[in-house]
Amino acid sequence: ETGVTQTPRHLVMGMTNKKSLKCEQHLGHNAMYWYKQSAKKPLELMFVYNFKEQTENNSVPSRFSPECPNSSHLFLHLHTLQPEDSALYLCASSVGTGNEQFFGPGTRLTVL
Amino acid sequence: QQQVKQSPQSLIVQKGGISIINCAYENTAFDYFPWYQQFPGKGPALLIAIRPDVSEKKEGRFTISFNKSAKQFSLHIMDSQPGDSATYFCAARGGYNNNDMRFGAGTRLTVKP
Repeated sequence: ETGVTQTPRHLVMGMTNKKSLKCEQHLGHNAMYWYKQSAKKPLELMFVYNFKEQTENNSVPSRFSPECPNSSHLFLHLHTLQPEDSALYLCASSVGTGNEQFFGPGTRLTVL
Repeated sequence: QQQVKQSPQSLIVQKGGISIINCAYENTAFDYFPWYQQFPGKGPALLIAIRPDVSEKKEGRFTISFNKSAKQFSLHIMDSQPGDSATYFCAARGGYNNNDMRFGAGTRLTVKP
């Protein structure tokens, strides 16, 4: 595998479920990001990790909980989501936080 | 708070024509302006980027024009091809927070054969 991979690619969950999104980068980067992409809206930065430390939390509701066990892996734990949380969730990585970001293909999340 | 405004929302161009997408920003501290290209089922990929010390950057058929005083920048796709059909996002980053990339809402480009 090369680049940035995300699993699952599609996820349907109920509002009471708990699920996790996984991102893995094979680029040797040190910074990783979670973005939310909703239809006809700008990409919204959610979280930033640099060398496994969270450096940014863009006022994201606590029902989204990120985890970065190492520089290559990033998780987004989901619980008690709302239908308006349905979106494409994109992971990205970069060499450092000021550098070009490489995006994964995203996880299409539907909350029923 | 949307700091980067992008237009048009959608664009249809004939093959061989010029596609033009415009963006305007508010924060004068921004110092890096990339354009991303996104195909269905894929994440955005960096297409071309510019810094405000130059007014134009060209890579192949893709050109960014930058107007610092007007706080505007645009993407021009010359000789547009059906394979260019995708969603294009402008973005801006820099200033106080180098982590925070602000994206435009995207332009869905369709190039008709």
